[in-house]
Amino acid sequence: DTAVSQTPKYLVTQMGNDKSIKCEQNLGHDTMYWYKQDSKKFLKIMFSYNNKELIINETVPNRFSPKSPDKAHLNLHINSLELGDSAVYFCASSQVLRGEQFFGPGTRLTVL
Amino acid sequence: SQQGEEDPQALSIQEGENATMNCSYKTSINNLQWYRQNSGRGLVHLILIRSNEREKHSGRLRVTLDTSKKSSSLLITASRAADTASYFCATDEETSYDKVIFGPGTSLSVIP
Repeated sequence: DTAVSQTPKYLVTQMGNDKSIKCEQNLGHDTMYWYKQDSKKFLKIMFSYNNKELIINETVPNRFSPKSPDKAHLNLHINSLELGDSAVYFCASSQVLRGEQFFGPGTRLTVL
Repeated sequence: SQQGEEDPQALSIQEGENATMNCSYKTSINNLQWYRQNSGRGLVHLILIRSNEREKHSGRLRVTLDTSKKSSSLLITASRAADTASYFCATDEETSYDKVIFGPGTSLSVIP
């Protein structure tokens, strides 16, 4: 059983399009995260939700909007995609804040 | 701003040798974590060490923490080709509003 799953694994799209990435965890964790990993492997937190409430919202363009329909899901919607959005996006979850995080396999987004 | 920085950025060793990676950070922390990332995969948690702990072991992994020097080291003994991966330290600043910040990582290559 996959603990943290993301779909799709690869996403290739044109500039200006809107796209969504879905994330689900079956670990019963209260906290979920979205990270962006750039081409130099630097991992930067974007958002964090605890019990469906947004608790961390880094300086991310408002074209990025997270949505948590329930504790097991945290989706990421991106409007008006730009070239600089190309990266690998990781979803993660943890039982407690600042605790051990479980990562999904990542979604490689390529904006052409 | 970046909290943790790993050193070296890249490390290449022969199978059977020990690998040591270091992490330095800037502010006081509650705990420090080490993660591994295989190419094209999500991060996997290795060890969490609390600020009141000095050393922790897990199999062939040994982590030390020196809060006076604001540094940690990860030692992998008797390395194997399968240990080839990027290794990240992650710290939580005491005033980071529950945020865990990842360093840029050390890329380890273990040559068979």
